[in-house]
Amino acid sequence: SQQGEEDPQALSIQEGENATMNCSYKTSINNLQWYRQNSGRGLVHLILIRSNEREKHSGRLRVTLDTSKKSSSLLITASRAADTASYFCATAGGTSYGKLTFGQGTILTVHP
Amino acid sequence: GAVVSQHPSRVICKSGTSVKIECRSLDFQATTMFWYRQFPKQSLMLMATSNEGSKATYEQGVEKDKFLINHASLTLSTLTVTSAHPEDSSFYICSARDTRGGAYTQYFGPGTRLTVL
Repeated sequence: SQQGEEDPQALSIQEGENATMNCSYKTSINNLQWYRQNSGRGLVHLILIRSNEREKHSGRLRVTLDTSKKSSSLLITASRAADTASYFCATAGGTSYGKLTFGQGTILTVHP
Repeated sequence: GAVVSQHPSRVICKSGTSVKIECRSLDFQATTMFWYRQFPKQSLMLMATSNEGSKATYEQGVEKDKFLINHASLTLSTLTVTSAHPEDSSFYICSARDTRGGAYTQYFGPGTRLTVL
């Protein structure tokens, strides 16, 4: 079964706006990762946050992790049309290190 | 970042035939590779973990005789869909775990779209 649940399932915004996606999970984790997938393509690794970290930045990306609530958020600031893609969170658990369990994903559409 | 390739990118085959998909790590060695399948507008589902030099570990519900995995070298894993049927049509994605420098990042291939007629 899928560990992660993401919301919203779909998000439509204008260029320049910020996009926030949320991910919840059920079991303990070693780390949580965010990936991007353009339509019909492979996944691109965006950012990894470890279970002992609360916030991480990479360029226009900001990821938070709240292990008490078993949730994470991905914020994309000043979005661009090229950010249009599906975004997935994936968790790596303690007893199966390396195996990733993916959330259902958020389809982001950024209108120019 | 590390590069993972898949071949072929697309394959169309007749029902009953077998199809082999290759996954290669191009600039690093990967003792562990993973195979996923993805249906349209859905998430990735892990099928199996491929370990170099040993048998693959399959997720619950995945038929190991149907999806044969061979990880013969540190840079190559293959997935063979045997006696393919239309319900096997899907997007198959592999990933390779890069453990250089103590990191455990997975790098994903571009995927293979399988269509079984």
